[in-house]
Amino acid sequence: AQSVAQPEDQVNVAEGNPLTVKCTYSVSGNPYLFWYVQYPNRGLQFLLKYITGDNLVKGSYGFEAEFNKSQTSFHLKKPSALVSDSALYFCAVRDRTGGSYIPTFGRGTSLIVHP
Amino acid sequence: DAGVIQSPRHEVTEMGQEVTLRCKPISGHNSLFWYRQTMMRGLELLIYFNNNVPIDDSGMPEDRFSAKMPNASFSTLKIQPSEPRDSAVYFCASSGRQPDSNQPQHFGDGTRLSIL
Repeated sequence: AQSVAQPEDQVNVAEGNPLTVKCTYSVSGNPYLFWYVQYPNRGLQFLLKYITGDNLVKGSYGFEAEFNKSQTSFHLKKPSALVSDSALYFCAVRDRTGGSYIPTFGRGTSLIVHP
Repeated sequence: DAGVIQSPRHEVTEMGQEVTLRCKPISGHNSLFWYRQTMMRGLELLIYFNNNVPIDDSGMPEDRFSAKMPNASFSTLKIQPSEPRDSAVYFCASSGRQPDSNQPQHFGDGTRLSIL
C-alpha cells in the first residue's frame, strides 16, 4: 500500500521569505516522489520528481525538494517566495517496487504568499 | 507539444441529462487517467487506461459513470443520468511509458461540470 500526507491545509509566508510545504509518504518498497502545482482554473503542473540518487532535487520556478528516507519526507522548498507562487501544491508518491502503477496524491496545500 | 486537451471547459446541465467529457492525450503517451476534484474530497482517481485498455476502474463512483478509450488519441467520460452531486472539476491526465515508469503525469485544464 502507498499513501501520502500533506499535514498543512494552508501555508502563509511573506514575499521574500523562504517557504516550505511539507509532505510525508508511506510505501512498502522504494518511492518515486513528485510535486505538482495547480493555479486557479488550471490543471496540475509537474514541478519536480525524485527517482534515485541525490536527495536534493531541483525543479521548475526555483523550487527544490529534499528526500529524507529516514523521516519518509519529501518537503518542497524555495529560498525566496514570490506572490506569484501562491497556488495549490500537491505531493504524490508511487511505490516502484510494490506493484502499483498509479500514483497516490495528497490532499493539497494552499500556499499564500503575502506582499 | 499541445498538451492534454479537454473539452468542453465548462458544462452546465440539468439533472438527469447525459454528460460526455472528452480528452485528447499527448501524442505518444500510453497511459491515461481521469480524475475528479472537489473541495470536500480533493483529487480522486476515477479510472486508469494503459494502451487503451481500462486497468483500474475502482474509483468510478457507480454505474452511471462510464469511460472509453477507442484509440490512443481520444477518451470519453460519460455520466448518465447526471445528478447534482456529480458537480466537480474533471481532469484528464496522460503519461508515457507506463506502467514501469517514473514519468510524471500531464494534466489538461479540466472540465468544470455543474449539474442543476
